[in-house]
Amino acid sequence: AQRVTQPEKLLSVFKGAPVELKCNYSYSGSPELFWYVQYSRQRLQLLLRHISRESIKGFTADLNKGETSFHLKKPFAQEEDSAMYYCALKGGSEKLVFGKGTKLTVNP
Amino acid sequence: NAGVMQNPRHLVRRRGQEARLRCSPMKGHSHVYWYRQLPEEGLKFMVYLQKENIIDESGMPKERFSAEFPKEGPSILRIQQVVRGDSAAYFCASSSQRGLNEQFFGPGTRLTVL
Repeated sequence: AQRVTQPEKLLSVFKGAPVELKCNYSYSGSPELFWYVQYSRQRLQLLLRHISRESIKGFTADLNKGETSFHLKKPFAQEEDSAMYYCALKGGSEKLVFGKGTKLTVNP
Repeated sequence: NAGVMQNPRHLVRRRGQEARLRCSPMKGHSHVYWYRQLPEEGLKFMVYLQKENIIDESGMPKERFSAEFPKEGPSILRIQQVVRGDSAAYFCASSSQRGLNEQFFGPGTRLTVL
């Protein structure tokens, strides 16, 4: 079965502090992993995908197959990073399997 | 490009009525996906369609739910005889191809069943 777990429902940090949003997955094959973000009153949008190995808006995420994790990190959080973040997996089909999401609040 | 369009944005139905949710994919996209988000949950896959074909309906409830993506016009998600448990946000996404292509999401339709 394919499953994505985001253990933190809420995460609050101060501006300038490092932030890490956790994501663990369960899938027997080689998955594609994604992070989606939903800012207030906006639609869900792709933030980054493991296959691209790029940094978007200062965020990075590394796929760790040994720990089956795909944690999202940013060294210095900004207030505009406040949003809902969803980790998602695609494995063997076109459907995305989402975690329940983490609401990140960056305080001034 | 206006992006993925969904209408209505909000829909209120009484138990037993029918709900029709529409999704117009991005221009040039021929792949459509429907997801449902219950309160406090992540998005859950329902169905994947290409023009005139259902490719994967493994997430669709067995009864009352159907989806189509005709040759012309938007994709339709139809819920017959709605019940309170159908209250949720329904999101549509589209992509230009299978595989590595990104799924672009619409703003969602929030269905409330009274």
